[in-house]
Amino acid sequence: GAGVSQTPSNKVTEKGKYVELRCDPISGHTALYWYRQSLGQGPEFLIYFQGTGAADDSGLPNDRFFAVRPEGSVSTLKIQRTERGDSAVYLCASSPGGNSPLHFGNGTRLTVT
Amino acid sequence: GENVEQHPSTLSVQEGDSAVIKCTYSDSASNYFPWYKQELGKRPQLIIDIRSNVGEKKDQRIAVTLNKTAKHFSLHITETQPEDSAVYFCAASQGGSARQLTFGSGTQLTVLP
Repeated sequence: GAGVSQTPSNKVTEKGKYVELRCDPISGHTALYWYRQSLGQGPEFLIYFQGTGAADDSGLPNDRFFAVRPEGSVSTLKIQRTERGDSAVYLCASSPGGNSPLHFGNGTRLTVT
Repeated sequence: GENVEQHPSTLSVQEGDSAVIKCTYSDSASNYFPWYKQELGKRPQLIIDIRSNVGEKKDQRIAVTLNKTAKHFSLHITETQPEDSAVYFCAASQGGSARQLTFGSGTQLTVLP
């Protein structure tokens, strides 16, 4: 079946602009995660949704970052006033919940110029 | 919070030889340890995982061992093939689930034909 889908695959924006990154999880997966991966590093946890609610947002670096999942399926990661240091690959993952492993999307490569 | 150290950062082996990648973790409460393979520009893909109630798990040419006392776990790939070349990440989390995985910094494995 279809995997986790992320759009856009690439996003170039100017410093100070607002961006939205979208994630379509695998159908039926109740758990959704956002991670950020900088070049040469492992993914870093940002936020975890169980259904519609953010169960753990402890990884969001500051209040410029926000994520929503209003209907318990698609999620949007929103970054305000982007900075060059926000440049990274933003990965979304989903799972059926409980002890199930994560399935990652291909990511959105964000470049802030 | 959890801290995961991964070694080596790069590893080159001849085709047919074995490869071993090692990780240590800091939080004794962690009890779920997956390994992901990431090819260039692609999504991380789960290749094997282990939970703290077992010491070893094997899947064809891939095996993972866990030493909870020493807080380290290792990935073993036997009879390596060129298609095994990729970046491998270890990770750890609490609660027996994939929530809030903490990843290592990755190992670039190159299998030389």
